[in-house]
Amino acid sequence: DAGVTQSPTHLIKTRGQQVTLRCSPKSGHDTVSWYQQALGQGPQFIFQYYEEEERQRGNFPDRFSGHQFPNYSSELNVNALLLGDSALYLCASSLAPGSANEKLFFGSGTQLSVL
Amino acid sequence: EDQVTQSPEALRLQEGESSSLNCSYTVSGLRGLFWYRQDPGKGPEFLFTLYSAGEEKEKERLKATLTKKESFLHITAPKPEDSATYLCAVRHRSNDYKLSFGAGTTVTVRA
Repeated sequence: DAGVTQSPTHLIKTRGQQVTLRCSPKSGHDTVSWYQQALGQGPQFIFQYYEEEERQRGNFPDRFSGHQFPNYSSELNVNALLLGDSALYLCASSLAPGSANEKLFFGSGTQLSVL
Repeated sequence: EDQVTQSPEALRLQEGESSSLNCSYTVSGLRGLFWYRQDPGKGPEFLFTLYSAGEEKEKERLKATLTKKESFLHITAPKPEDSATYLCAVRHRSNDYKLSFGAGTTVTVRA
């Protein structure tokens, strides 16, 4: 049973560039959440997608956007990259919001470095 | 705004030396408190969910407990493979969508 898969694992970009990160959820899951984890910090919620719609957004600017496809996979796009966007980007999948089983399953993340 | 504070930031233990990690939370209506383990370069791995004060969960050498203001993760007779960062997170009762995480406690167990 494949867990949550993310690609790429590492990425180096320069300021001002744009980046797209990809995530495939665990089999049977239909909800994808994205988190940003800076070095030495806990993950911070970016947004969650369910039924191809953004259900909630955390305190992140509009430069962060996303998409969910009919097969439940998801993309995270970040425009006009800043040095402060350097972090580990985590994708987590789960069952539908409000489900009795609320566990999030995380991928190994994409390490983004902005130079 | 939900707040989660974990202490200590780092903990160095000798193999077999039991200890506890603390997670203090401020949330007006707790729906669930979650413990995750994170190894370097990996995503968090689910350990426990606790829903109400007095609840306890156990898994191997780990035991999580919950009160109305804090949760403890007890590590009994730790082994080097228990070395990791342990993250605590809360979900608000009215919010189906996000977890609010603490900064974590990094545990190092020496043989």
